[in-house]
Amino acid sequence: EAGVVQSPRYKIIEKKQPVAFWCNPISGHNTLYWYRQNLGQGPELLIRYENEEAVDDSQLPKDRFSAERLKGVDSTLKIQPAELGDSAVYLCASSSGRSDGYEQYFGPGTRLTVT
Amino acid sequence: AQSVAQPEDQVNVAEGNPLTVKCTYSVSGNPYLFWYVQYPNRGLQFLLKYITGDNLVKGSYGFEAEFNKSQTSFHLKKPSALVSDSALYFCAVRDNAGGFKTIFGAGTRLFVKA
Repeated sequence: EAGVVQSPRYKIIEKKQPVAFWCNPISGHNTLYWYRQNLGQGPELLIRYENEEAVDDSQLPKDRFSAERLKGVDSTLKIQPAELGDSAVYLCASSSGRSDGYEQYFGPGTRLTVT
Repeated sequence: AQSVAQPEDQVNVAEGNPLTVKCTYSVSGNPYLFWYVQYPNRGLQFLLKYITGDNLVKGSYGFEAEFNKSQTSFHLKKPSALVSDSALYFCAVRDNAGGFKTIFGAGTRLFVKA
């Protein structure tokens, strides 16, 4: 079974530039998560999707961050414009829900550096 | 408010000795509890979970964790540590009373010395 796929793995951009991250979850997983992980800290939820619907985006900085999950499969997270403080690892995860107790499967992450 | 605490930034143990990584939590309803491990330059990997039933749960790589409702704790344990267990460990809790959000602790770095 293929795991969660993310791209790119690394991205270096200048501040005020836009950036986008892509995630392909495990096949059949209806729930998709985007997290931000700062160095030395645990992941912090940005947005959670149940199929196509964003059910929790309370922590997403909506002035500069946007996300979409078309057709309830792949998802894209965008930052425009990027700020220095956005430098972090962006993790995507998926889960199948109640049937497996909501355990999450994570992708390798995208390490973003904003200069 | 929902929260997770991992009181130790780092745990050092000698190979072959037992290890414990501590976790306490606070939720308003019945919790689902998880442990994840993160190796360098890799995403988090699921280790084990507590949903209901037996308070002692067993997971991958010989790890186990004990759910203690009265102490609101979910400590990760292993009887005999390996050097390859050295990694960053995260405790997480899902609040099933509302919101259904999963919160992660700050992580504990485990260092196993040969």
